[in-house]
Amino acid sequence: DTAVSQTPKYLVTQMGNDKSIKCEQNLGHDTMYWYKQDSKKFLKIMFSYNNKELIINETVPNRFSPKSPDKAHLNLHINSLELGDSAVYFCASSQDGSFGETQYFGPGTRLLVL
Amino acid sequence: AQSVTQLDSHVSVSEGTPVLLRCNYSSSYSPSLFWYVQHPNKGLQLLLKYTSAATLVKGINGFEAEFKKSETSFHLTKPSAHMSDAAEYFCVVSEAGNTPLVFGKGTRLSVIA
Repeated sequence: DTAVSQTPKYLVTQMGNDKSIKCEQNLGHDTMYWYKQDSKKFLKIMFSYNNKELIINETVPNRFSPKSPDKAHLNLHINSLELGDSAVYFCASSQDGSFGETQYFGPGTRLLVL
Repeated sequence: AQSVTQLDSHVSVSEGTPVLLRCNYSSSYSPSLFWYVQHPNKGLQLLLKYTSAATLVKGINGFEAEFKKSETSFHLTKPSAHMSDAAEYFCVVSEAGNTPLVFGKGTRLSVIA
């Protein structure tokens, strides 16, 4: 069974569209994250949720809105997509967000905005 | 604020020779340090982590890293490279509290037959 799964794996869309990426973890973890990996492979945290509550919200445009319907799911909705949003988006989870915890990553969603 | 510098963007080794991937960190507090590996078109997998216990940390697939506070380094080593080790490697630092993980820019490891 996949621990952290994301759908879709690939997403190609036009500028201005709205799209969602879904993430689910079956590890029983309380904390989930979204990361963005740019074309140079640089990874940066976007958001983290602990038990459905937003904990970290880095300087991300408000076109990006995370939603956590329950602690096993953290979805990412993006409005009015721009060319610069093209990247790989990774979901991750950890036990409870404590210092030194291992984060478990999903396989990534490759988003291409045309 | 914490930061991580991976000193080489690309390292190329021959199969069977040692691997050294260098990482220096900056942290105001005692950090946790991690190495993650990303194979092409895959997610990230934890290789090993340091959390203020033993300074020499052993990980999966024969990798290990040594935490050297005096040098603020956490270099990753492996005695003998395999073709399957070819991937992108990320050094990561975390400070206490709810501060997020901070990733280095990655080192691409190539293994030549």
